[in-house]
Amino acid sequence: DTGVSQNPRHKITKRGQNVTFRCDPISEHNRLYWYRQTLGQGPEFLTYFQNEAQLEKSRLLSDRFSAERPKGSFSTLEIQRTEQGDSAMYLCAGHRDGTEAFFGQGTRLTVV
Amino acid sequence: AQTVTQSQPEMSVQEAETVTLSCTYDTSESDYYLFWYKQPPSRQMILVIRQEAYKQQNATENRFSVNFQKAAKSFSLKISDSQLGDAAMYFCAYRSVSSNYKLTFGKGTLLTVNP
Repeated sequence: DTGVSQNPRHKITKRGQNVTFRCDPISEHNRLYWYRQTLGQGPEFLTYFQNEAQLEKSRLLSDRFSAERPKGSFSTLEIQRTEQGDSAMYLCAGHRDGTEAFFGQGTRLTVV
Repeated sequence: AQTVTQSQPEMSVQEAETVTLSCTYDTSESDYYLFWYKQPPSRQMILVIRQEAYKQQNATENRFSVNFQKAAKSFSLKISDSQLGDAAMYFCAYRSVSSNYKLTFGKGTLLTVNP
């Protein structure tokens, strides 16, 4: 167990609906990352927080995606007006300086 | 931009035998880190082994070792005495020293261990 938890583990939603995922890193993780993993691909970087500040966003993160990390603790990733192409595993990873990534189990999103 | 290529979508090995997973990468940087991550089915991705590019010595972690060839931009993982619990998807990953710990992954290699 890496100490990083993600909820829900699975989400099925209808196209056009909004969904929100949550990531809870351990308290020492000052850095938090979101990745997206589609079938047959490795994880791809989406966005990065240092404490509560969102410091980098990938071009994969369209306007329909928004992420927050209030108070530098848990983080949420929201997708508005979901599309079938959003179906993927969404992974969260936490870091503290000097260590490598600790990943959560991911949230598998299926858009029908 | 950095790229990571894993040319073996699937590999299989007999229990107790040795298997090598291949990875190549492309970068113009001289200092960076390379990793192998293991992702068991429905479980969290965990770090298997890490290599700093400035170190000539190949990293080892128990039954896991790497063959790091910096000039060839090659980074293979050798698993010795394979166990059933080694069955998983294995990802090679790259991190720049200056990238805020952001990882670039390959597509992965699915390893099957046969009893």
